[in-house]
This record gives sequence, structure tokens and C-alpha cells, in this order.
Amino acid sequence: DIQMTQSPSSLSASVGDRVTITCRASQIINIYLNWYQQRPGKAPKLLIYAASSLQSGVPSRFSGSGSGTDFTLTISSLQPEDFATYYCQQSYTTGYTFGQGTKLEIK
Amino acid sequence: EVQLVESGGGLVQPGGSLRLSCAASGFTFSSYGMNWVRLAPGKGLEWVSYISSSSSTIYYADSVRGRFTISRDNAKNSLYLQMNSLRDEDTALYYCARTFIAVAENFDYWGQGTLVTVSS
Repeated sequence: DIQMTQSPSSLSASVGDRVTITCRASQIINIYLNWYQQRPGKAPKLLIYAASSLQSGVPSRFSGSGSGTDFTLTISSLQPEDFATYYCQQSYTTGYTFGQGTKLEIK
Repeated sequence: EVQLVESGGGLVQPGGSLRLSCAASGFTFSSYGMNWVRLAPGKGLEWVSYISSSSSTIYYADSVRGRFTISRDNAKNSLYLQMNSLRDEDTALYYCARTFIAVAENFDYWGQGTLVTVSS
């Protein structure tokens, strides 16, 4: 199975900050990498698919990059509603493995 | 508007069974693959199972293979997960999620989840 490792596991930041979350796959997955946001008590929401494509309706402050094994999610200017847990997911093979999550908290 | 509504969760003893349902609306259900994903307390998201639009292709996570069975009824716009031989570690919030293919698969719509608690 492909293992997905996110860093950091948690992050404190302030409104207006630029933050970056990284995700590393245990083997090459090309660009088959998705990012999700999950707010407490809510369903996960697709933000980015195919490593860098912004899902319809998602604000442009979210962006994704990377290919192969190393990927990043960047939020250019944090808004109050962005404090949540973020997950990467590989869709290169069935198993559709998620990373362990990055909890973004208010500083 | 796409809607996915899960039901069927509850408290069950170890070794017991439960059947989850997911009612879909707002899209052509028979055209999309569907998944079950779970979120255990204090843990991250874990994909559980996938079924293709025609039920011809089915996949399971190693952790549930042989105990869980995914199925669907396209005439009723419904997805199911039959869970047998339940274990403590199956305790989680179970979501159904639609597969959308754009370059590769992603899960573009999710339900709100149904809670399964396995405890004696």
C-alpha cells in the first residue's frame, strides 16, 4: 500500500498568514493527489484535485503543487473559516490512502 | 443540488452486524462510482470501500475485507454497507462519498456521516 505522510501534524497561525502543508507519498504517484478540508462536525470538502487543480467554488487563496512523491498545499492569506484539518489523498491506486491530517489552529 | 444522506448507524456489540445506507439525490446516481470512508475518534480519514456505477468493480480496504460488503441499488438511488463481525476498531463516523474522475479519481461530494459505535 502507498503511505502518505503529512507535515506538520499541527500548525498554529494567524489570520492573514501564508501557510504551507506538505504531503509525501511512499512511491511515485504522478499528480494523482487530492487535498480535502474538514471543519469540526462537518463533512470533508474537496479543495484541490490532480495536485494543482482548484475545485469549483473553492477560493483562489488555496493552491496546490507537486508531482511524483512531494506535494504542497498553500493558503496564501488565512481567513477565519480556514482553521480546520487538512488531508491529502492519493488516487494512484485503489486504497485511496489519506495522510494523517494537519490540524490548523488559530494562534 | 447533490445530496448524500447516510443512515443506519448505532451501538452494536463486538461480533455484531449493522447495515448502513446512503440515499443520493440531485445527480444521476447510476453514472457514478461511490465510496465509504470512515473517521475514527482521534484518527484520520480511512477509505473503506468502492463500488463502480454498475457494481461490476468493487474494492475493499484490507482492514474490512471479508467482513464488510458494499452494494448499491441504482433504481433506489441508494448505496449500502453491510458490516459483519464488527470490532472495537470499527467505531467511527462513516461517510459515503461520490467518485468524480478528473484526470484521476477524487471524492467530490460527501454526506454528513452516520456514527457506528462498537462496544460491549
